Amino acid sequence: DIQMTQSPSSLSASVGDRVTITCRASQTVSSYLNWYQQKPGKAPKLLIFAAFRLQSGVPSRFSGSGSGTDFTLTISSLQPEDFATYYCQQSYSSFLTFGGGTKVEI
Amino acid sequence: EVQLVESGGGLVQPGGSLRLSCAVSGFTFSNYWMTWVRQAPGKGLEWVANIKPDETEKYYVDSVRGRFTISRNNAKNSLYLQMSSLRAGDTAVYYCVRVEYCLSTSCYGINYFDYWGQGTLVTVSS
Repeated sequence: DIQMTQSPSSLSASVGDRVTITCRASQTVSSYLNWYQQKPGKAPKLLIFAAFRLQSGVPSRFSGSGSGTDFTLTISSLQPEDFATYYCQQSYSSFLTFGGGTKVEI
Repeated sequence: EVQLVESGGGLVQPGGSLRLSCAVSGFTFSNYWMTWVRQAPGKGLEWVANIKPDETEKYYVDSVRGRFTISRNNAKNSLYLQMSSLRAGDTAVYYCVRVEYCLSTSCYGINYFDYWGQGTLVTVSS
């Protein structure tokens, strides 16, 4: 199976900060990489698909980049509603896998 | 409006069985791959299984293969997960999720999870 490793596992930031989360795959996943946001007690929400494509309705302060094995999710200016846990997920293999998550805290 | 509503969760003893259901509306269910994703308390997300629209392809994470069965009824707009030989490690919130495929030529074939249910809690304990 393809292992997905996110870093950091948690971070502290302030409103207005630029935040970067990385995701590394154990083998190439091409651009088959998606990002989700999850708030406590809620279902995850799709932010980015196919490495850098913004899901409809998602604010433009979210962006994704990368291909192959190394990917990045960037929040250009952190807003109060962005404090959450973020997960990457590969869909290159029929056996799908998620990263361990990155918790963004105040 | 797309809706996915899970049901069937609850408390079950180790070794027991449980069947989860997911009722969907707001889209043509028979056109979409569907997936179950779970999340143990305080832990991350884990993909469990997915199923092709015509049920000709099904995939499972290693930890549930042989114990869980994913199925669907396109006439009833419903997805199911039959779980047997349940273990404490299966305790989690189980989400029903729609799989969407990118149709743009620049990302054709790349799939992602675009709609999620609210989840149903399965607790395996004596």
